[in-house]
Amino acid sequence: GDSVTQMEGPVTLSEEAFLTINCTYTATGYPSLFWYVQYPGEGLQLLLKATKADDKGSNKGFEATYRKETTSFHLEKGSVQVSDSAVYFCALTEGNFNKFYFGSGTKLNVKP
Amino acid sequence: DTEVTQTPKHLVMGMTNKKSLKCEQHMGHRAMYWYKQKAKKPPELMFVYSYEKLSINESVPSRFSPECPNSSLLNLHLHALQPEDSALYLCASSQGGRDTYNEQFFGPGTRLTVL
Repeated sequence: GDSVTQMEGPVTLSEEAFLTINCTYTATGYPSLFWYVQYPGEGLQLLLKATKADDKGSNKGFEATYRKETTSFHLEKGSVQVSDSAVYFCALTEGNFNKFYFGSGTKLNVKP
Repeated sequence: DTEVTQTPKHLVMGMTNKKSLKCEQHMGHRAMYWYKQKAKKPPELMFVYSYEKLSINESVPSRFSPECPNSSLLNLHLHALQPEDSALYLCASSQGGRDTYNEQFFGPGTRLTVL
């Protein structure tokens, strides 16, 4: 079945450090892939998405590339800020009424 | 308008109470979702409505009863809940249909506490 695996957190970085959060997936077909961010006490916000192999999603300095050969969708940012502290979820859908499969989430703490 | 709204923001209820959670969107989306999220966990899908019809029920106990009165509204009726049902309940919407691969838009959630 479909599933998403994310690196365990928390990840603690200093401001302006480089960020990578690993995400790999298992799917039977050709899923769409997403990164969502959740700030404390809030709902999930779409950060970026990619719908086919080799697509790069980007938003607010974050990037992720859909790699079919490695079934990965790693999230990167060149220089993190304190305001990036949140929980990040990787997700996929293969249709079926757009049912999402979420990774376990990775908490990011950025220190000034 | 790209917003999903949920009311109430917080809800405290006893195990014998009946209450309802409400969700609304005006993006013209035809699919709406209920999720349950426990602390430090990802959202767990409960129900999916597509074109106002219940399309997915993830074996949710009958003390949770969803309702979709129209394409913009989604309710979750609660009755005889247990303390372990305390969680953040999230609503989401997306373009409808069986074979869609689109992003979902999430509301801010209702923080439910069952005493």
